[in-house]
Amino acid sequence: GAVVSQHPSRVICKSGTSVKIECRSLDFQATTMFWYRQFPKQSLMLMATSNEGSKATYEQGVEKDKFLINHASLTLSTLTVTSAHPEDSSFYICSARDHSSYNEQFFGPGTRLTVL
Amino acid sequence: AQSVAQPEDQVNVAEGNPLTVKCTYSVSGNPYLFWYVQYPNRGLQFLLKYITGDNLVKGSYGFEAEFNKSQTSFHLKKPSALVSDSALYFCAVRDDVDSSYKLIFGSGTRLLVRP
Repeated sequence: GAVVSQHPSRVICKSGTSVKIECRSLDFQATTMFWYRQFPKQSLMLMATSNEGSKATYEQGVEKDKFLINHASLTLSTLTVTSAHPEDSSFYICSARDHSSYNEQFFGPGTRLTVL
Repeated sequence: AQSVAQPEDQVNVAEGNPLTVKCTYSVSGNPYLFWYVQYPNRGLQFLLKYITGDNLVKGSYGFEAEFNKSQTSFHLKKPSALVSDSALYFCAVRDDVDSSYKLIFGSGTRLLVRP
């Protein structure tokens, strides 16, 4: 089946620094990837839709200047949390859409971000 | 607008007994329905999906779900629960008329299987 990877799996950073998270589709091309955020014991909240070669579409309430998304190739999307603060600490999960499989989303293993 | 409801925050069941985790949905067009499981500090693991065809869908680890269009439900079931099934379960729906391909997730149901 389709495989999506995320890197890093866990990151700890100081307040004020920027952190980049990578999402890769390993065995298929993904024109669309999605970024989710999950707080403890809560559901997944869609942050943005990442489209290859164009600007990301952000959900209401998500700061696009805070969460920079780049989808430079058909297999890679990156999420950069800029000037991170402790309230940005969360579990970030990406997914990639496989147009050859009913446009199903395949999920990465997630990245745990802790901002000190 | 699309929505998914998981009415139970937690389901408790004894090992060996059948389990049901409930899910209802609302879409404008036809639904694509999914169940995922999440273990602590892990990403989502796919269990099963309904796209079209037979209303009874069989998935991983002995789980199954039945698509009921009249009741707009897609309840997850397993005939005999295992302690290792204890985890967080998410139902999700995609509306086939939504060109954004967004998945809408339910709030999640924690399944606790006691020995």
